Amino acid sequence: DGGITQSPKYLFRKEGQNVTLSCEQNLNHDAMYWYRQDPGQGLRLIYYSQIVNDFQKGDIAEGYSVSREKKESFPLTVTSAQKNPTAFYLCASSIFGRAHSGANVLTFGAGSRLTVL
Amino acid sequence: ELKVEQNPLFLSMQEGKNYTIYCNYSTTSDRLYWYRQDPGKSLESLFVLLSNGAVKQEGRLMASLDTKARLSTLHITAAVHDLSATYFCAVDITSNFGNEKLTFGTGTRLTIIP
Repeated sequence: DGGITQSPKYLFRKEGQNVTLSCEQNLNHDAMYWYRQDPGQGLRLIYYSQIVNDFQKGDIAEGYSVSREKKESFPLTVTSAQKNPTAFYLCASSIFGRAHSGANVLTFGAGSRLTVL
Repeated sequence: ELKVEQNPLFLSMQEGKNYTIYCNYSTTSDRLYWYRQDPGKSLESLFVLLSNGAVKQEGRLMASLDTKARLSTLHITAAVHDLSATYFCAVDITSNFGNEKLTFGTGTRLTIIP
């Protein structure tokens, strides 16, 4: 079955450590996204990528980094520079990347919950 | 900067009642999406509204879009417990590069009381 796989589901980090969250999709989607969700709040965009080897900052990119070396994979690194990293992280993908006027329906992964100890 | 606001943020309603969730946005767009999130879970797509006057219905949920008013509504008819969830609207702005990011509203946490 096609879908998005995020790992790990739960992650604990000590202050000062970098951690990497994995996101893999087998939907053959061009675009991939990382969102952060804090309790009782909406989703805020961290980074997105519309094509391999290219990505753009979202609204809250500081303290995060990404790479898009393969179409299927869009890992997110939460660096020690991120002051308040405890949150629920959601990866998503959509079929269309650039230059398309169709609907941009996102398919989401199950999420990764990061807790800083 | 695009702002997307939902109203109300929290909603408790009795089974069998009707209610409406509102989604206002600040910039011209003709593409709006509704998602559902169960507690601790991911988001699933409910509706895609792609033009002014678009109306979509599934079961007890009906979504509509008024692009001139920059308003979408999600109407719940004869609520049942299974509809308890958080509902998000999201707006899509196309730039010169084509489809870009969705901006999500803050969500409406709906609780259906027996």
